[in-house]
Amino acid sequence: GQQVMQIPQYQHVQEGEDFTTYCNSSTTLSNIQWYKQRPGGHPVFLIQLVKSGEVKKQKRLTFQFGEAKKNSSLHITATQTTDVGTYFCAGGTSYGKLTFGQGTILTVHP
Amino acid sequence: DAGITQSPRYKITETGRQVTLMCHQTWSHSYMFWYRQDLGHGLRLIYYSAAADITDKGEVPDGYVVSRSKTENFPLTLESATRSQTSVYFCASSEPMGETQYFGPGTRLLVL
Repeated sequence: GQQVMQIPQYQHVQEGEDFTTYCNSSTTLSNIQWYKQRPGGHPVFLIQLVKSGEVKKQKRLTFQFGEAKKNSSLHITATQTTDVGTYFCAGGTSYGKLTFGQGTILTVHP
Repeated sequence: DAGITQSPRYKITETGRQVTLMCHQTWSHSYMFWYRQDLGHGLRLIYYSAAADITDKGEVPDGYVVSRSKTENFPLTLESATRSQTSVYFCASSEPMGETQYFGPGTRLLVL
């Protein structure tokens, strides 16, 4: 079946440093979604990318979808303590299923 | 706007007992999902439902049973709980399938 791999599993940064998490699918995706889960909370939708090579920005967050629609990344510029949490990618297929990556747990040290 | 709720939020049970986790959504979304979250495994799909009376297995269905008699409710039952089912369980809904999923607050289950 479809597999979505996400790396790294953990990332510790100093406040102000940049952070990137990567997502790779074993199959071509129809879309990729990103979610954030604060400690003790539930996953919350951030964004969806649909087009090959698409880049979207939300303030300090930049999301990219690869040209082959098999990989994606989330980059945070100048991390803040409010960025802590687990970031999940979720790959969508043409028949509608979402497969979540394992998530990247981000810790930001002040 | 209540959104999607889960109950109980915390549950401790013993091996072999039956446990039912409740999920209720107020958006009338057709699709509902149950995930379990374990460290190192991310979110794994247990079961999902496309509409009332339509359910299908996900990635890790063994040991779980679901039903969906009404669109707004999607209960998950552990027929005979095992320690390996200790986890955080999230219910989610979407409309249509493949679009944004809205998650409930989760149920933290401990099986002793």
